[in-house]
Amino acid sequence: NAGVTQTPKFRVLKTGQSMTLLCAQDMNHEYMYWYRQDPGMGLRLIHYSVGEGTTAKGEVPDGYNVSRLKKQNFLLGLESAAPSQTSVYFCASRYRGLTDTQYFGPGTRLTVL
Amino acid sequence: EDQVTQSPEALRLQEGESSSLNCSYTVSGLRGLFWYRQDPGKGPEFLFTLYSAGEEKEKERLKATLTKKESFLHITAPKPEDSATYLCAVQARGDSWGKLQFGAGTQVVVTP
Repeated sequence: NAGVTQTPKFRVLKTGQSMTLLCAQDMNHEYMYWYRQDPGMGLRLIHYSVGEGTTAKGEVPDGYNVSRLKKQNFLLGLESAAPSQTSVYFCASRYRGLTDTQYFGPGTRLTVL
Repeated sequence: EDQVTQSPEALRLQEGESSSLNCSYTVSGLRGLFWYRQDPGKGPEFLFTLYSAGEEKEKERLKATLTKKESFLHITAPKPEDSATYLCAVQARGDSWGKLQFGAGTQVVVTP
């Protein structure tokens, strides 16, 4: 099993450009999450999904959109990138049990100039 | 509002020098407290889940404990390979979707 994979690993954008980050998991997990990690601030939840076709906002959703068309994939989109979106983005997934563990991908380092 | 605070922010240890990391939390009922390890440039790796006060879990040189207000991660006789950032996260009892609130982490460096 590959676990949770993220594409791309690195990306540099100019302000105003758009891009999509792809998260894929092969563990048949129902729940998936997108986080961003900034120095000194820990991981913050952007959006999450509890099943195919459903998404919900997390703590810091502004400027991002998501889609979950297939159970194994969760896409994070930036329509018009801003320098404040420079960060490391992590995807995670887990089963739907009450206290199941979240398993994380390797991350995408995004720089917006 | 749920809050998780980890201390210290950074810790430098000599190999073999045991120490403890602290995770204090305020949450309206705790469903679970999670510890993760994160190496530079990688995603967090799961270590432990604790559910109720008094619970302890061990893995190699690591031992996690939980009280009603805080959790400790004890590192016994650390080795250089224990160098990493350790993250603590809580899931509130009122949350049904597995959402976690993370602390900022403690960066641990173990020197030979």
